[in-house]
Amino acid sequence: KQEVTQIPAALSVPEGENLVLNCSFTDSAIYNLQWFRQDPGKGLTSLLLIQSSQREQTSGRLNASLDKSSGRSTLYIAASQPGDSATYLCALRNDYKLSFGAGTTVTVRA
Amino acid sequence: GAVVSQHPSWVICKSGTSVKIECRSLDFQATTMFWYRQFPKQSLMLMATSNEGSKATYEQGVEKDKFLINHASLTLSTLTVTSAHPEDSSFYICSASLWQHQTQETQYFGPGTRLLVL
Repeated sequence: KQEVTQIPAALSVPEGENLVLNCSFTDSAIYNLQWFRQDPGKGLTSLLLIQSSQREQTSGRLNASLDKSSGRSTLYIAASQPGDSATYLCALRNDYKLSFGAGTTVTVRA
Repeated sequence: GAVVSQHPSWVICKSGTSVKIECRSLDFQATTMFWYRQFPKQSLMLMATSNEGSKATYEQGVEKDKFLINHASLTLSTLTVTSAHPEDSSFYICSASLWQHQTQETQYFGPGTRLLVL
């Protein structure tokens, strides 16, 4: 069974600081890894998807890396803004199932 | 493209009643849809996989007689919480599977339905 851990559970930073969010997993036999954003009481917005054969993906200020051998992924958010405040979830796909971490709740202070 | 909707967005019901939640893929056909449940400050937990035209596959520990799933068309899956109790209060999120190039599958998520059972 895939176990997904996200550390820290919560993070508060001043505006402009870079964010580093960590995700670790136990089963490296994955199809892909996805990072999502979830605003309070809302659904999920997909941010980045990394296929199993890839090492990283970038979109604007976001960069996600994947290291299957160590069972880790990192999401970097450059020059954080108050609008980046949300909960960030990582999810791994094994077979047909997505396994989610509990998320890191980010607060960016203006 | 690839939009998934859910209805209702929130519902309050009395204990013992049944509640139906709809999940629709608006601009694509989805042979497979998934239902998740999320408790406050916890992760999404997969409840069941819904396949069009066949019975749903439930995850371990999820009561199939309590959470009835119907996937009658390629764009609609429904989750019915039967005889709801306060412990069923949660945030329910569905996703729909979109296949591209026959090899790449992506799940698109609905906005969620918040259920409160009094």
